[in-house]
Amino acid sequence: NAGVTQTPKFRVLKTGQSMTLLCAQDMNHEYMYWYRQDPGMGLRLIHYSVGEGTTAKGEVPDGYNVSRLKKQNFLLGLESAAPSQTSVYFCASSYSRYRNSNQPQHFGDGTRLSIL
Amino acid sequence: AQKVTQAQTEISVVEKEDVTLDCVYETRDTTYYLFWYKQPPSGELVFLIRRNSFDEQNEISGRYSWNFQKSTSSFNFTITASQVVDSAVYFCALSEVRDSSYKLIFGSGTRLLVRP
Repeated sequence: NAGVTQTPKFRVLKTGQSMTLLCAQDMNHEYMYWYRQDPGMGLRLIHYSVGEGTTAKGEVPDGYNVSRLKKQNFLLGLESAAPSQTSVYFCASSYSRYRNSNQPQHFGDGTRLSIL
Repeated sequence: AQKVTQAQTEISVVEKEDVTLDCVYETRDTTYYLFWYKQPPSGELVFLIRRNSFDEQNEISGRYSWNFQKSTSSFNFTITASQVVDSAVYFCALSEVRDSSYKLIFGSGTRLLVRP
């Protein structure tokens, strides 16, 4: 059982380049999330999705776009990468609160992204 | 506003010492969840515990114990007889149930170093 899988694990970009981070979960979770982790700041929510075809902004959405075309996948896009987006990105998923309100979020192993 | 404060940035102890990691939270809601996650040097996030706001019973799991006190808005984590393998960054997090999702608000983390 793979759980939450993030692709790629590492990436180096130049300023202005674009890229997409892929998150895939095989637990049939309704909810999915993208966080970024920066030194001394913990994890901050970028965007999240409560179901296929729906997305919403989190705490730090600027500069990112997301899509949830399939229930098992949640894509995070950087249209024009900036050095301030250098970070470790974590994807997470969880059951809907209506199915089971006590399930914690399951996290992927993270993607380390450097913008030069 | 929702907020989680982990005032201890770094703690260093000698193996077999007991150590307590502090977590103070702010929320407008009466119904919420609190979590602790561990992030070892390998980088993944490991779920440790979830506690809902109506359950103030302390919990013990092996060498780990948690003290939840609504009166002081605290959810502290104690490791008894610490071991080198406990060295990690520990995050406390809050999720408000009234939200349509289970977004997590993280503290900035406490880095624990257990020396042999």
